[in-house]
Amino acid sequence: AQSVTQLDSQVPVFEEAPVELRCNYSSSVSVYLFWYVQYPNQGLQLLLKYLSGSTLVKGINGFEAEFNKSQTSFHLRKPSVHISDTAEYFCAVSRGGGYQKVTFGTGTKLQVIP
Amino acid sequence: DTAVSQTPKYLVTQMGNDKSIKCEQNLGHDTMYWYKQDSKKFLKIMFSYNNKELIINETVPNRFSPKSPDKAHLNLHINSLELGDSAVYFCASSQGDSGNTIYFGEGSWLTVV
Repeated sequence: AQSVTQLDSQVPVFEEAPVELRCNYSSSVSVYLFWYVQYPNQGLQLLLKYLSGSTLVKGINGFEAEFNKSQTSFHLRKPSVHISDTAEYFCAVSRGGGYQKVTFGTGTKLQVIP
Repeated sequence: DTAVSQTPKYLVTQMGNDKSIKCEQNLGHDTMYWYKQDSKKFLKIMFSYNNKELIINETVPNRFSPKSPDKAHLNLHINSLELGDSAVYFCASSQGDSGNTIYFGEGSWLTVV
């Protein structure tokens, strides 16, 4: 079974500074990887996903993530954060191909400081 | 139009009561889910239906019973509510393959007192 670990429960960062949210996964087979964002009192929405191909994935709101198979990582980055990026970020993984369960990490709270 | 809508948004009820949460999606998806998010934001899948057929049933007490009358609806009924059932319940949907995006509703905040 696959699993995903988000190493940081909270990440405070000043506005306009860069940020990296870390995610490591565990799976013995090929995987699909996702980052979802949850704004306060809302449901989750997709930021970006990796299915195959280029290991650098660009998503909405200026976020990007890089799939690193050797390090089993899928870290999320943004070069300059805004106050509006304050939210909970979830990394998720599923086995590739067909219908498979998606497993979510425990989330990282990004707190952007003005 | 809201893609995945669930009602009620807020629900406060006493221990021992039975309650239902309704969910509808207008995206034409064939797969629907119920997730539970606890106070620490941990998100756990409870059930998944594909074309009205139950395909994922995680370790969830029998007091929780999902019902899917058609592809666009997945309701959650909870019997004999307990304090530990207090959480946010998210309905979601996606189309087929696990590589596709999961679309979430806005959540139903359940508080058991």
